[in-house]
Amino acid sequence: DQQVKQNSPSLSVQEGRISILNCDYTNSMFDYFLWYKKYPAEGPTFLISISSIKDKNEDGRFTVFLNKSAKHLSLHIVPSQPGDSAVYFCAAKGGSEKLVFGKGTKLTVNP
Amino acid sequence: GAVVSQHPSRVICKSGTSVKIECRSLDFQATTMFWYRQFPKQSLMLMATSNEGSKATYEQGVEKDKFLINHASLTLSTLTVTSAHPEDSSFYICSASHSGQALGWAGNTIYFGEGSWLTVV
Repeated sequence: DQQVKQNSPSLSVQEGRISILNCDYTNSMFDYFLWYKKYPAEGPTFLISISSIKDKNEDGRFTVFLNKSAKHLSLHIVPSQPGDSAVYFCAAKGGSEKLVFGKGTKLTVNP
Repeated sequence: GAVVSQHPSRVICKSGTSVKIECRSLDFQATTMFWYRQFPKQSLMLMATSNEGSKATYEQGVEKDKFLINHASLTLSTLTVTSAHPEDSSFYICSASHSGQALGWAGNTIYFGEGSWLTVV
């Protein structure tokens, strides 16, 4: 049973527009949520995280929103750039530093 | 530059042989490292937690005798896939936590290696 779900395997947006990547989770004990960006044949690189006690965290073009009641979080990228094209993984942490990952969403930003 | 390095990045081995993958933390000590596996179009699945100086902790369903983990020093953990079979072909990736950084956990202290593609033929 997947504890972290990314239901959209892919997303395509135009350059300059907003990209919204969604993630749902089932375990209410998760205390941190993270977003990673991954290029093919490379390891994930950390983008942004949010504590379970917050509902928003912003870092430059990236903003993560957390809705605990809905067990849902989203990553907003604005404005989107072609270089943002990659697979984005949502991950969750509970207690230890073990991470539970979603399946990822492939973002394509078209020029 | 990379703070966690994996080697080899790609390896092809014959069925029945063993292959070792190394994970090194650069410029910091990691008492704990994590090993993940990713099959195509799937999520990264945690295989085991590697603890320096002690036995690894394996996730449910992961065969400890098949996936041998050795964390002999604070900067090196190795994963050995023993008696490899084609179904073991996958992307293996490690992570390490730079716990010596700033107070407060924000997720930006976990670093992933570049990953290792294993193909068993």
